[in-house]
Amino acid sequence: GAGVSQTPSNKVTEKGKYVELRCDPISGHTALYWYRQSLGQGPEFLIYFQGTGAADDSGLPNDRFFAVRPEGSVSTLKIQRTERGDSAVYLCASSLGTSGYEQYFGPGTRLTVT
Amino acid sequence: TQLLEQSPQFLSIQEGENLTVYCNSSSVFSSLQWYRQEPGEGPVLLVTVVTGGEVKKLKRLTFQFGDARKDSSLHITAAQPGDTGLYLCAGRRIQGAQKLVFGQGTRLTINP
Repeated sequence: GAGVSQTPSNKVTEKGKYVELRCDPISGHTALYWYRQSLGQGPEFLIYFQGTGAADDSGLPNDRFFAVRPEGSVSTLKIQRTERGDSAVYLCASSLGTSGYEQYFGPGTRLTVT
Repeated sequence: TQLLEQSPQFLSIQEGENLTVYCNSSSVFSSLQWYRQEPGEGPVLLVTVVTGGEVKKLKRLTFQFGDARKDSSLHITAAQPGDTGLYLCAGRRIQGAQKLVFGQGTRLTINP
């Protein structure tokens, strides 16, 4: 079956612009996670959804970052007024549930803010 | 401050050698996982260890969870060029176990 897909694979934007990153989880997975991986670092948790609601958004760095999952499947990570420090690979993962289930990661979206 | 410290961060060795990668923390984890990540791809789960002192083997890879569930190690025997990649440890905390806490990774290169 299809794994987690993310679009676009690469996004170059200018400082100050708005971007949206999309994640299509594995069908039937109720939990969805966003992580950010800066160059030379491990992934850092941003937010996770159980169904349609954001169960934990404690990793979002500031109010320029927002994520939605309106129908409990596809999720969009939105970044307003992008800054050069936002440049990173944004990873999405999904799992069957949240307690101890394996998280399956997508290939990521590489965001570059110039 | 990194919650999970991996060492070494970079390792380059010859084919056939053995190596160990360490993942250390001052915090207790309910479980610890090891991932491998290739360029342009997301991390792929290799193993999960749950019980203090647990040892799991995956072919030439041996994973150990510390008795106090604060640290883990990955040992590779007779490394091969196909083992080249970024190895990440990740823990689930006692509270907030839904989100993974990752180490900074160990970039391993096995030279033929």
